[in-house]
Amino acid sequence: KNEVEQSPQNLTAQEGEFITINCSYSVGISALHWLQQHPGGGIVSLFMLSSGKKKHGRLIATINIQEKHSSLHITASHPRDSAVYICAVKVGNEKLTFGTGTRLTIIP
Amino acid sequence: GAVVSQHPSRVICKSGTSVKIECRSLDFQATTMFWYRQFPKQSLMLMATSNEGSKATYEQGVEKDKFLINHASLTLSTLTVTSAHPEDSSFYICSARDARTAYGYTFGSGTRLTVV
Repeated sequence: KNEVEQSPQNLTAQEGEFITINCSYSVGISALHWLQQHPGGGIVSLFMLSSGKKKHGRLIATINIQEKHSSLHITASHPRDSAVYICAVKVGNEKLTFGTGTRLTIIP
Repeated sequence: GAVVSQHPSRVICKSGTSVKIECRSLDFQATTMFWYRQFPKQSLMLMATSNEGSKATYEQGVEKDKFLINHASLTLSTLTVTSAHPEDSSFYICSARDARTAYGYTFGSGTRLTVV
């Protein structure tokens, strides 16, 4: 069993829909990251969380430390949001352990 | 913001040759650089952690003589795939630890290596 599980693996939605991607982890962590990987492969950091909730534009990330669960929400989704979204957890000081990603496709 | 420049973005090489991938931190000092490998539709796998001026720490199962990592300066880390084989074909990406940013890590744009 992977230490970091994401769901769903694939998600297709219509433009404008509210999107939720979930991440569950099984180990104690010092921080959780949400990353966005575009088709060309480049990765952009979206959020780093250790508690609570963060918002950036149409993106919202929440984390529940007790339940070892985090969610990434996208409001008013747009085709340009189509990408792979990756959850990663930091265990200890440095290393990140990655989920397998959620492939999001937004249809115009 | 913090930027890590990774080159080349794509490379095709013949079996048996070596390929060098560079990652440069453009506006900050990257004392620690992480090198990852990603197979299609799989998650990133950490290959090694390099610290400026010292030997890299390799993850279990990663051949250090095959994947040479050099972190000679605070702004440059290189990964050399030696005697490349077709099974080395993959997506390689670096990430620098940058405590100044809100995210803690800045990723390069990745290198897609194809060995023919």
